[in-house]
Formats: sequence, structure tokens, C-alpha cells
Amino acid sequence: NAGVTQTPKFRILKIGQSMTLQCTQDMNHNYMYWYRQDPGMGLKLIYYSVGAGITDKGEVPNGYNVSRSTTEDFPLRLELAAPSQTSVYFCASTYRGTNTGELFFGEGSRLTVL
Amino acid sequence: QKEVEQDPGPLSVPEGAIVSLNCTYSNSAFQYFMWYRQYSRKGPELLMYTYSSGNKEDGRFTAQVDKSSKYISLFIRDSQPSDSATYLCAMNALLQGAQKLVFGQGTRLTINP
Repeated sequence: NAGVTQTPKFRILKIGQSMTLQCTQDMNHNYMYWYRQDPGMGLKLIYYSVGAGITDKGEVPNGYNVSRSTTEDFPLRLELAAPSQTSVYFCASTYRGTNTGELFFGEGSRLTVL
Repeated sequence: QKEVEQDPGPLSVPEGAIVSLNCTYSNSAFQYFMWYRQYSRKGPELLMYTYSSGNKEDGRFTAQVDKSSKYISLFIRDSQPSDSATYLCAMNALLQGAQKLVFGQGTRLTINP
């Protein structure tokens, strides 16, 4: 049981390039999330999904896109990368009916845009 | 005003000290309060969970919620070097539906041997 797996762990992009951050979970969780974490700023929600085929914007969605074609996978697409997207990105998941609201996080993907 | 405020620190204390970490919030609808621990270069992990007001104890850790003051705390007794991490408070208004937690900024804690 691997939990939430994110790839790549590190990436350097040039301004204007595009890339996809991959996230997969093997816990059969309904809900999946993408957060970004900037120093001293906590975690900000980018997008979330309550199930396959359903996605919605979070607090900071501009410059990103997501899709959810399967329960397991929730990739985050960055189009036309900008220096402001330099951050650590975390994917998380949880299950419908949780009695604590606990989110299970991946180990993060560190992205630098130069 | 941010919905959740947390002093980012950093906070450095000697081994064995009692540590107090705090968050204030503005949304009176919040009912579910959590503390996550995040080790360097890792994702956050749930440490403590509390519903509504009151105290909850788990070993050396105690979580307190005072809804009247919109103030939550995490106490660590007999702190150990292995407690060195960033601690994030998080809260939510509803347990049903998507868990769109609101996080504090995180406090970086170092326990010195």
C-alpha cells in the first residue's frame, strides 16, 4: 500500500514551458486535492475532485488545470509556466464518510521556474 | 484578515521543554480542528483532531480548542529532538462533502538536545 505517490519529486522549468505533475493513490479515496506550499504561507488549495469526472477550483486555480478520469489519478497541468509558480506542490486524498477529515498527503513535488 | 493566523516562528527550545503552538481564526462556522506535523521535505501528517471546544490528549500532545475566543493550541510536553518539524493548524466547517481545509501558515519548531 503506497498511499499517495507524486512524480516528479523535483523539476526545473523555463518560463513559458508546460508540464504535468502526476498524482496517484491506491487507497480507493473519492476525494483528491492539489495544494501549493510557499515559505511562510501555509497550504493553498489549487483544485480538488470529489470523484472521477468531477473537478472544481480551489483558492488559487489560475495558471493550472486538472482532470480526473479515474479514481486513482489526479494530474495537475501547468501551462505557460511563470516564476510565481515556483513552489512545492502537494497532492492529497481522503475518503467520503471520513469522521476526522484527515487528508493523506504525498511527499511533494518541488518546482522551480526560471 | 486571514481566516486562520499562525505565528510562523521559527521557535527553538531545549529538549524537555513544554512547547505551546497556537492559531487564531475568524470564521465562527469552523467546528473541526486539526494539527498536522510536517517533517522537512515530507508531506504533512495528521497529528491531532478535535471536534468543537475542549481538550484532547494523546501521549505527550494535548490539543485545546476555545471556540468563544476563536483560539486553538497544541501543547507538547517533554519535547524531544524528534518533535522538530513544522506544525500546521487546519480547520473545517463541515465534515460531509469535500474536505476543504483551511490551513495556518505553519510554525517551524526545533528541539535542541
